[in-house]
Amino acid sequence: DGGITQSPKYLFRKEGQNVTLSCEQNLNHDAMYWYRQDPGQGLRLIYYSQIVNDFQKGDIAEGYSVSREKKESFPLTVTSAQKNPTAFYLCASSDRPSQPQHFGDGTRLSIL
Amino acid sequence: QKEVEQNSGPLSVPEGAIASLNCTYSDRGSQSFFWYRQYSGKSPELIMFIYSNGDKEDGRFTAQLNKASQYVSLLIRDSQPSDSATYLCAVNRNGQNFVFGPGTRLSVLP
Repeated sequence: DGGITQSPKYLFRKEGQNVTLSCEQNLNHDAMYWYRQDPGQGLRLIYYSQIVNDFQKGDIAEGYSVSREKKESFPLTVTSAQKNPTAFYLCASSDRPSQPQHFGDGTRLSIL
Repeated sequence: QKEVEQNSGPLSVPEGAIASLNCTYSDRGSQSFFWYRQYSGKSPELIMFIYSNGDKEDGRFTAQLNKASQYVSLLIRDSQPSDSATYLCAVNRNGQNFVFGPGTRLSVLP
């Protein structure tokens, strides 16, 4: 089945630690996105990529980093510079940037 | 002014009624508009998308777009308790990425 796989489902970060969230898609989509959702809030764009080896900052990129070395993979690293990382992280992809997005099941990140 | 605005709700409707969800956006150049449903603790799922002025129907759902008024709405006919969720409006920004509204929480009462 085609879809987007995010892992892990739950992740805990210690102070000063970097953690990486995985996002893999087999939909052959060109565009991929990372969002953060805080309780009771909408989605805020962290980073997006329209093509392999290229990515752009979204609205809240500080404290995060990404890579896009393969079309199907778009991992997100939450660095120690992100002082309030507790949130629900969602990865999405779309065939082209203006087309509907499809979402993975998300990763919940908490601080230990 | 926020880029995409929605009433946070909760919007409560009785079972079988029509639920009307509204969204306004600030960028007059926006071309693509999307409605997502999100159940508590789950990821968003696409309900409808609309690109042209007017109405677009899919089953019990109708999306309405008025670009002159910068307004997009979602109507849910014959509302069911299973429709109780948060509905997110998303607008394509400059053909590059998307901006989401804060969502409207819908509660369908049996």
